[in-house]
Amino acid sequence: EVQLVESGGGLVKPGGSLRLSCAASGFPFRNAWMNWVRQAPGKGLEWVGRIKSDVGTTDYAASVKGRFTISRDDSKNTLYLQMNSLRIEDTAVYYCTTISDPDYWGQGTLVTVSS
Amino acid sequence: SYELTQPPSVSVSPGQTARITCSGDEMPRQYAYWYQQKPGQAPVMVIYKDSERPSGIPERFSGSRSGTTVTLTISGVQAEDEAVYYCQSPDTSDTYQMFGGGTMLTVL
Repeated sequence: EVQLVESGGGLVKPGGSLRLSCAASGFPFRNAWMNWVRQAPGKGLEWVGRIKSDVGTTDYAASVKGRFTISRDDSKNTLYLQMNSLRIEDTAVYYCTTISDPDYWGQGTLVTVSS
Repeated sequence: SYELTQPPSVSVSPGQTARITCSGDEMPRQYAYWYQQKPGQAPVMVIYKDSERPSGIPERFSGSRSGTTVTLTISGVQAEDEAVYYCQSPDTSDTYQMFGGGTMLTVL
């Protein structure tokens, strides 16, 4: 059974940093391309970025490029999202997902950016 | 920038057919995907590659496309289908994943 479990969310002040983790199991993680997707309170879904397998090439949405970094540790079956220079508008539930047909989503972790 | 447009809301009575559209200029060149999200839950994919249905998704869910518009059809709508539905598709470079704004399906 595929499982994705996000962690690391919490309350952070504007300008601060946070690192999210996504523990994966039930599928060959090292071969999987992975996404981060977020959802602000009461709003729709927004793609944050992705990381490919092998060399780990990354792509980001314009709204987070230069501030967020996606990485992976295949030895730990874990995906990461390093978030720097956080803004109030980054407040959202952050989901990790597989890039597959069909895909799988975690339950999400809430990040609140507030002073 | 690339955008996907969905109607904000659709309402149908139980047993009727609901159709939710999603349009985008680059849609003809890319597959579309559909997600169902119920309150407090993570999204669940109900259609992939335009018209494929994941295992466990009822047969009443189907997908189709015509030009720049893709459509999610739910035949014989049930109360449990009430949810927000999102379409998703990559841009032409297959780099940036876009989501539509979401459509709230209300079962009257």
